[in-house]
Parts: sequence; structure tokens; C-alpha cells
Amino acid sequence: DGGITQSPKYLFRKEGQNVTLSCEQNLNHDAMYWYRQDPGQGLRLIYYSQIVNDFQKGDIAEGYSVSREKKESFPLTVTSAQKNPTAFYLCASSIGARGSGANVLTFGAGSRLTVL
Amino acid sequence: EDQVTQSPEALRLQEGESSSLNCSYTVSGLRGLFWYRQDPGKGPEFLFTLYSAGEEKEKERLKATLTKKESFLHITAPKPEDSATYLCAVSGNTPLVFGKGTRLSVIA
Repeated sequence: DGGITQSPKYLFRKEGQNVTLSCEQNLNHDAMYWYRQDPGQGLRLIYYSQIVNDFQKGDIAEGYSVSREKKESFPLTVTSAQKNPTAFYLCASSIGARGSGANVLTFGAGSRLTVL
Repeated sequence: EDQVTQSPEALRLQEGESSSLNCSYTVSGLRGLFWYRQDPGKGPEFLFTLYSAGEEKEKERLKATLTKKESFLHITAPKPEDSATYLCAVSGNTPLVFGKGTRLSVIA
């Protein structure tokens, strides 16, 4: 079955450590996205990528980094510069690039990061 | 700047008690309005896309409608399994912008 796989599902980090969240899709989608979700808040865009080797900052990119070396993969690194990293992180993909009509996002199951 | 406001924040219904969720939006050049369902601890699940004012879509007990400024998600005779958070999002000149969601609880 096609879909998006995020790992790990739960992750604990000590302050000052960088951590990387994995996101892999086998839907042959061009665009991939990372959103952050906090309790009582909507999804906020961290980074997105429309094609391989290209990505753009979203609304809350500070303290995060990404890469897009393969169409299937879009890992997110939460760096020590992110002051409040405890959150639920969601990866998504879509057929088209930003603004296209068929911009339905398919989401992964999420990764919950807790800073100790 | 694209914005989405959902109301109410939380809604508690008795089984069979129909109601509506509201999504108000401002967007530069609407390319689509999306409804998602999210269960606790899981990723959002796509429900509907609406593209133009006057459009309606239905799926089981859910019906989504769209005007130029807002969308409604009507829930007819809800069941406990409809309990979830319902998210609204708009696509304009930027990637999807989401509202904070409406947390729906349906009590048997």
C-alpha cells in the first residue's frame, strides 16, 4: 500500500541535542511538507519542497533544517537552536507543487518529540 | 496573509443531534478549501476539497458547503465514531494554511 512513513513515532531529546525525524513516501508525489502541531493549535508549516534538491522555509523554520536528496525522502532535523521543540510533527506529500489545483495533502502518522 | 478561523473550538453532541462546524477564511486567490479529520495522536485524514462558491460534497453523515467567505461542515445524525478534531485548510498562493480545528465529541 502506498503511503507516508514517519519514524520514530516517539522521540525523547535532551536539551542541546540535534535530532532527525524521518519521512519516506512511496506515492510518487513531487511535493513534501513538514508541519508542527501544538495542543490547541493548528498545523504550522516548517518547510516544504516542491522538487528534489530544492526547499523553501515555511512560517516557523527557525531552529529546523531539511534536505531533499531523493524524491521519496524529506528528513527534518530539529536543532539545538529550536527553543521549544516539544511538539507533534507531521510530514505530508502532494501530487502537485505549491498552488496547483490537485493539492490534496496525504499525511503520515506523526512523530512526537519530547525534550527532557 | 491567508487566514483560517474555525468555530466553535469544541462541540459536544448527543448521538443523532445534527449540527454544523464553521470555517471562515481570507485568501488571495482561492485554489481550494480542504476538510480533514484527525483522531488523537494520528495524522489528519482527507475528507473533502471544495473549489468554488456554491459547491457541495457529501460523504456518509458529512456534507461540506462553500461560500466566498466561509465553509460549513454539516454533520447529520452523528454517531460516537464521528468524534474527532475536524480541520479546515485553504490553498491560495502558499501551501495549505490550517485553522486550529473543532474538537467534536458525540455522546451515546
